[in-house]
Amino acid sequence: EAGVTQFPSHSVIEKGQTVTLRCDPISGHDNLYWYRRVMGKEIKFLLHFVKESKQDESGMPNNRFLAERTGGTYSTLKVQPAELEDSGVYFCASSPPSTGRLGEQYFGPGTRLTVT
Amino acid sequence: SQKIEQNSEALNIQEGKTATLTCNYTNYSPAYLQWYRQDPGRGPVFLLLIRENEKEKRKERLKVTFDTTLKQSLFHVTASQPADSATYLCALDIPRAGNNRKLIWGLGTSLAVNP
Repeated sequence: EAGVTQFPSHSVIEKGQTVTLRCDPISGHDNLYWYRRVMGKEIKFLLHFVKESKQDESGMPNNRFLAERTGGTYSTLKVQPAELEDSGVYFCASSPPSTGRLGEQYFGPGTRLTVT
Repeated sequence: SQKIEQNSEALNIQEGKTATLTCNYTNYSPAYLQWYRQDPGRGPVFLLLIRENEKEKRKERLKVTFDTTLKQSLFHVTASQPADSATYLCALDIPRAGNNRKLIWGLGTSLAVNP
């Protein structure tokens, strides 16, 4: 079974540019989460999709961040325009429907974003 | 304020010994607590989940305790091996209405097992 994949693995962009991160969850996983870890800080929740619907986007920093999950499959996280403080590692995780295993989330390897 | 604290200093132990990592939290009432392992350049990998009504959970050489009165979880790696060297993350699993769940993370503790 393929795990959660993320693309790209690294991205270096200039302040003011746009970047789009992609996450492909494990097939059949309705739940998809985005997290971010800024250097020296803990992992922070950004948002949660159930299929194509945003269940909770309370962790999104501001309106420069836009997450989509068209068709309930892969998800994208776009940052436009990027700021220096957006640098960090962005993780995607997925989990089965609520009737599945309780609580466990499967993480991708992350995308390291550097804004210069 | 709400926070989670894990041992900030790296833990170095000798192979074969038991490593004990601590996770303390304040101002949360989690229904569950999860432990993850993270290796450099990789995403966290789920290890164990313990419910609020469980005192202890075991999986192979791993043991987790959960004391909701003390607001503390202890994570033990017994008969440690160099391959156990990694960062271990504690995460509070906060259920919300409907199908929503949220993980609130600690900073993690680095464990190094010396041969």
